[in-house]
Amino acid sequence: EVQLVESGGGLVQPGGSLRLSCAASGFTINNNYMNWVRQTPGKGLEWVSVIYGDDTTYYVDSVKGRFTISRDNSKNTVYLQMNRLRTEDTAVYYCARGWELDPHDYWGQGTLVTVSS
Amino acid sequence: DIQMTQSPSSLSASVGDRVTITCRASQVIINYLAWFQQKPGKAPRSLIYGASTLQSGVPSRFSGSGSGTDFTLTISSLQPEDFATYYCQQYFSYPLTFGGGTKVEIQ
Repeated sequence: EVQLVESGGGLVQPGGSLRLSCAASGFTINNNYMNWVRQTPGKGLEWVSVIYGDDTTYYVDSVKGRFTISRDNSKNTVYLQMNRLRTEDTAVYYCARGWELDPHDYWGQGTLVTVSS
Repeated sequence: DIQMTQSPSSLSASVGDRVTITCRASQVIINYLAWFQQKPGKAPRSLIYGASTLQSGVPSRFSGSGSGTDFTLTISSLQPEDFATYYCQQYFSYPLTFGGGTKVEIQ
């Protein structure tokens, strides 16, 4: 059974950092595209970043230079390092699996990041 | 960036109704279009990819159609568990972008 479990969310001050983790089971992450998608409270969905099996990465413009996606194949885990956080980064962050023809077939339960002083 | 416009933003319907939600892309995305369902407090659930391919386990009352810039999600006979918010997403090019969502409410 495919499972994605996010962790690492919490309260952080503006300018601070957090690292989110997404532990995968039931499949091997380097055979898939692994994504982060966020949702601001009461609002819609925003795709944030993706990492391919060959380490190719893409980001939405608003996080470029501040967020870094990476993975540890030995732990079957994907990470999102978030630096220089802003209040507008406050959101529930979801990890989602995908592949070339299907962007997000499985989702985790999400982890809440709150950026506030 | 490709803009995705969903309509309507909300609708009221009754159990058994046929419901149609539309999604328009700001440029051609061929068939790189997915649909998701989200219930309050829950993660999104994938319903359809490739504009018309149903995810495993999704009821056949859900269907998707369209290509190019105009797409449709249809629920042939609305069930109580279908009351939720629905999102479309293009994955033709990065950044991937979602529509604003359509909230389906009980009439």
